[in-house]
Amino acid sequence: GQSLEQPSEVTAVEGAIVQINCTYQTSGFYGLSWYQQHDGGAPTFLSYNALDGLEETGRFSSFLSRSDSYGYLLLQELQMKDSASYFCAVRSTGFQKLVFGTGTRLLVSP
Amino acid sequence: NAGVTQTPKFQVLKTGQSMTLQCAQDMNHNSMYWYRQDPGMGLRLIYYSASEGTTDKGEVPNGYNVSRLNKREFSLRLESAAPSQTSVYFCAGQGSSGANVLTFGAGSRLTVL
Repeated sequence: GQSLEQPSEVTAVEGAIVQINCTYQTSGFYGLSWYQQHDGGAPTFLSYNALDGLEETGRFSSFLSRSDSYGYLLLQELQMKDSASYFCAVRSTGFQKLVFGTGTRLLVSP
Repeated sequence: NAGVTQTPKFQVLKTGQSMTLQCAQDMNHNSMYWYRQDPGMGLRLIYYSASEGTTDKGEVPNGYNVSRLNKREFSLRLESAAPSQTSVYFCAGQGSSGANVLTFGAGSRLTVL
């Protein structure tokens, strides 16, 4: 089976940098992705890592280490609008289904 | 270009009633998914369809059935609703890019009394 672990909540102030970690266990591996979800909204895709290393998309970066079964999402220059839940997700090789972690709620304060 | 459209947005059922959640996508996605989201539980996969005519169970399929009517439509049916099925349901589609990029519908909030 597959399982993912993320912290349940992270708090930070505007302008700061925050890192949300994700560790996973899966038989086979086909990439780690990140989604953002605002309260009352639908999840939206943020980032995807198939290989080890850092992927940067504007203020957001995502990192993957396949040998450690670990990844993180890095959010820089935090803004109030970044307050949301963030989910990591994995898909095993050969499987179409995408399994999500339980999510990390990020609270950004002024 | 609406993306992924779910109906209804809200529904209240009594225990034992049946209903179907409808999902349609206009993004030519091959794969489609139904997830449920409960507080503190994240998104849990109910069923998915890798292509037209195929469906497979996810993590929590009990109490649900699905139909992939054609490439555009993927419906979720509750035959005999139970209070434990009170949740927010999301439909999603995935293209063939190879990345784990799902496009989600706006969600359907279901309450079973």
